[in-house]
Formats: sequence, C-alpha cells, structure tokens
Amino acid sequence: LAKTTQPISMDSYEGQEVNITCSHNNIATNDYITWYQQFPSQGPRFIIQGYKTKVTNEVASLFIPADRKSSTLSLPRVSLSDTAVYYCLVVMDTGRRALTFGSGTRLQVQP
Amino acid sequence: DAGVTQSPTHLIKTRGQHVTLRCSPISGHKSVSWYQQVLGQGPQFIFQYYEKEERGRGNFPDRFSARQFPNYSSELNVNALLLGDSALYLCASSLTSVIPSYEQYFGPGTRLTVT
Repeated sequence: LAKTTQPISMDSYEGQEVNITCSHNNIATNDYITWYQQFPSQGPRFIIQGYKTKVTNEVASLFIPADRKSSTLSLPRVSLSDTAVYYCLVVMDTGRRALTFGSGTRLQVQP
Repeated sequence: DAGVTQSPTHLIKTRGQHVTLRCSPISGHKSVSWYQQVLGQGPQFIFQYYEKEERGRGNFPDRFSARQFPNYSSELNVNALLLGDSALYLCASSLTSVIPSYEQYFGPGTRLTVT
C-alpha cells in the first residue's frame, strides 16, 4: 500500500484559497488518489478523486503532477463550515473497496 | 433518498460483553464496509462485504465478525469486549465493486464505549 504524508494541521481565514498537499512517493501505476472530508462525530465524505493532471468538481480541485508522487487538494474561498479533517488516500486498482486512512490534515478556518 | 443508516447511535458496554452493530446501505448499494475510528485517528478498515460475501478483512482479531443479509444490510459483531474497542464504528456503502470510482458513502457511525 502506498503510504501518504500530509500536514497534521493548517489554519486559514474565510475567503482564502486553501491548498493541502499530500505526498505518496511509492504510488503504483494503477493507484488512484482520493480525498475525503470528515466533520466531528460524522462519517467521512468523499470530496474528489483523480488519476493524473487536474480534476475539478463543484467542491474542490485536485492537482496531480506528471510523476504522481504528490497531489494537492485545493479548496477555493473557504468558509467556517470547511473546518474539518481532510484525508488523502491512495486506492489500489484491485476492485477491493477498502480505504486506508492516515491521520489526515486538520483544517481550522477562522473568521 | 436516505443515506447510510446505523444503529444504535450510542452504546455503552462492559468489558467481556458482546455487541452487535447494524447498518443499512443506500438503496441499490450492494457493497458494505466497516471501519473503526479511535479518537484522533483516521478510520481503520475492518471488513468489506459484497453480494453477501466477505471480500476483504483488515488487521482485526477474530473477536470481530460480520455478515451481510440478502437485503444488503449488515451486522458487525464484537465478542469479549476490551476497553480498547471503544471507538466510533463506521459503515460505508458503495454501488458496486467496479472500479474506477472509489466513492464510498459513510453513515454517521455508532459510538461504542466499553467500561
């Protein structure tokens, strides 16, 4: 399993763009990169998934360089409600649906 | 549409007892996974079931078992409870095992406290 490393915590202010970078140096050719968000006392919520280059949805963007050894989750114009833990996961392309979570990045958005 | 539901919401048990946690997946979802989340850590994979068959098992002792019913709901059983089993137990469902989507839908969890 590809190990992921991401910052333990980040602070930001409302209206700013937040970029959370995750490193996954030993990612395999068929692995996908997935990000989840979790609020206290709730289950994680899928944010975005990608394989290479850039993926964008209504919530976030995911940037993956050509070597795929890292990825950056970008949250545009954060609000207080974006305060949560963000998990970067590398998921094996085996059909097995188990997700391996690390400790995540705790994002605190200030007013 | 209803999301993933879990019962009970909270549970307090004593060491050595047995517990059964229940999960109903989103309608149409055939895959159910169970995770344990200890305070301050990310969720840890316990089991995955698809079409009523076990498809994956994490690094948990045999005290943990699970099953999936014909309606795709699932139960997680834990025997001989230890203090260290105190955690939030999460159930997640997904449509199929077909890749490449890895979007899993998590329920709110069951908070288990072992005293």
